[in-house]
Amino acid sequence: EPEVTQTPSHQVTQMGQEVILRCVPISNHLYFYWYRQILGQKVEFLVSFYNNEISEKSEIFDDQFSVERPDGSNFTLKIRSTKLEDSAMYFCASSDPGGAEAFFGQGTRLTVV
Amino acid sequence: QKEVEQNSGPLSVPEGAIASLNCTYSDRGSQSFFWYRQYSGKSPELIMSIYSNGDKEDGRFTAQLNKASQYVSLLIRDSQPSDSATYLCAVNGGHNYGQNFVFGPGTRLSVLP
Repeated sequence: EPEVTQTPSHQVTQMGQEVILRCVPISNHLYFYWYRQILGQKVEFLVSFYNNEISEKSEIFDDQFSVERPDGSNFTLKIRSTKLEDSAMYFCASSDPGGAEAFFGQGTRLTVV
Repeated sequence: QKEVEQNSGPLSVPEGAIASLNCTYSDRGSQSFFWYRQYSGKSPELIMSIYSNGDKEDGRFTAQLNKASQYVSLLIRDSQPSDSATYLCAVNGGHNYGQNFVFGPGTRLSVLP
């Protein structure tokens, strides 16, 4: 069964460093998303991506964040100059051409120390 | 501003009982509605999607949608201890599919053996 895969599963970084989280969406999906979930809190939308550009982003997704689809399969989230409050689970998701159901990857746990 | 509300729980039901989970949403333009299950430390897993008013059944799960009341519910029949998880309601839509999915805070369900 097709699935969204994310790497790494856990990333520890020092405050101020840059991190890149990687995702391989389901192959025939056209919409890609990044969400985050701070421990004990709800799943929060960061950004959606369609047709090689950002289609929507939240207030959380400020200049510190960027997304890229560097090739035909990968979808990345870059966080520049990480802060302690960036520590969270980051989930990648993708949805089919109908834009209906979204399927999530297993997540990357980012710990900023 | 899209808001999705759920009772945080915990909702405790005995094994074999029906668990009823509720969700309300604020955006009348919302088109698509989803229930996800999230085990602790794991990613959201899609259980059900519903797009039109009424009931939709899939195995032990029934989703109910009432757009006039802006209300979505999930019934779990014959609840099992393995159903113990947090259930997330998500809403998507507007003019186009593929917009972001807004999640509620989740309801923690505990099924007691």
